Amino acid sequence: DSGVTQTPKHLITATGQRVTLRCSPRSGDLSVYWYQQSLDQGLQFLIHYYNGEERAKGNILERFSAQQFPDLHSELNLSSLELGDSALYFCASSVLTGSEQYFGPGTRLTVT
Amino acid sequence: DQQVKQNSPSLSVQEGRISILNCDYTNSMFDYFLWYKKYPAEGPTFLISISSIKDKNEDGRFTVFLNKSAKHLSLHIVPSQPGDSAVYFCAASARGGANSKLTFGKGITLSVRP
Repeated sequence: DSGVTQTPKHLITATGQRVTLRCSPRSGDLSVYWYQQSLDQGLQFLIHYYNGEERAKGNILERFSAQQFPDLHSELNLSSLELGDSALYFCASSVLTGSEQYFGPGTRLTVT
Repeated sequence: DQQVKQNSPSLSVQEGRISILNCDYTNSMFDYFLWYKKYPAEGPTFLISISSIKDKNEDGRFTVFLNKSAKHLSLHIVPSQPGDSAVYFCAASARGGANSKLTFGKGITLSVRP
């Protein structure tokens, strides 16, 4: 158990809908990262937050957004969902930017 | 442009033997390298890391070697055990920047035969 929690574990929704994925980092970790793993792709970096502030964006679509709250949990919002958004979404946290990241169990999103 | 490459998609070894998993990178700004292990339906689990100021780091059965001139690293598992069967991801980051996102390879599936 990495100490990072993600909910829900599975999510099935229809095209055009909007969903919110939630992540709670390890106690004491200020950095939260979101990654997407599609069928034929490795883990792709989406976005990084540090202590409530956005630090960097990767290959994140404009339909996707995220935030980190004062209690350090983070949410990833995916809207106008398309079939191609079906993937595993992982959250990771680290105590310092640049230290090893610890991953949650992921949320499997299926868009039908 | 794939900056971290794991060119062999799979590896099969006998229990008790050595497993050697390879990884190459192209970005010379990378200065921190990590290996993660992933079982199906779970998140990646951190295994071992190495900073670019070192060429070797050891933790129990796991050793990571870094060859900066060749932009190559490898993970050695000795002895291999059936429970090591999983997908192994190599990852790299440039720690000097404000964002130390990890760039991952596509993974190697290791099968350890009893």
